[in-house]
Amino acid sequence: QKEVEQNSGPLSVPEGAIASLNCTYSDRGSQSFFWYRQYSGKSPELIMFIYSNGDKEDGRFTAQLNKASQYVSLLIRDSQPSDSATYLCAAHSGAGSYQLTFGKGTKLSVIP
Amino acid sequence: DTEVTQTPKHLVMGMTNKKSLKCEQHMGHRAMYWYKQKAKKPPELMFVYSYEKLSINESVPSRFSPECPNSSLLNLHLHALQPEDSALYLCASSLGHAQETQYFGPGTRLLVL
Repeated sequence: QKEVEQNSGPLSVPEGAIASLNCTYSDRGSQSFFWYRQYSGKSPELIMFIYSNGDKEDGRFTAQLNKASQYVSLLIRDSQPSDSATYLCAAHSGAGSYQLTFGKGTKLSVIP
Repeated sequence: DTEVTQTPKHLVMGMTNKKSLKCEQHMGHRAMYWYKQKAKKPPELMFVYSYEKLSINESVPSRFSPECPNSSLLNLHLHALQPEDSALYLCASSLGHAQETQYFGPGTRLLVL
């Protein structure tokens, strides 16, 4: 069974700190990876996607992918209370797949 | 513009009712999806339409019936639902090929009484 694992948290960080969210996946055929942010009662909002090994930066967000270790992470720099949400890691399952496998999400709380 | 719209935002229905959820996108995407999300759980894929053809049906009960009238529209017809079907129903779209980024609409919060 293809799985995406995340620590459910909650992860608490002080305002201004770096929040580090981690995700591992079981399917070595997975080729594209996504981080979604979901506020309570709202729909998932795309934060980052990453296809290649290494780092990808977008503003305060950096996604990291290590395919050898089957590991994806999201770093949020200068965390703000508005970053408090559940972060969903998702992976596409191999070539030709429309199906996203989601992790259970990590709840992040940024403490003012 | 990465907007997917869904109507209605909220829906309350009895177990004998028939209702429909609507999803629309004008981004030229050719793949559209229905997900179901229960509280504190990740979204679960229900259906995928690719180029207006149903390509994935994740063993969803027949009381849920999807329809894709054209490349911009996706409907989910509901009939004889159960209280356990109460959830947030999410529509998403992507360009049209596999492995592409999916963009979610705001969802319809469904309560079945």
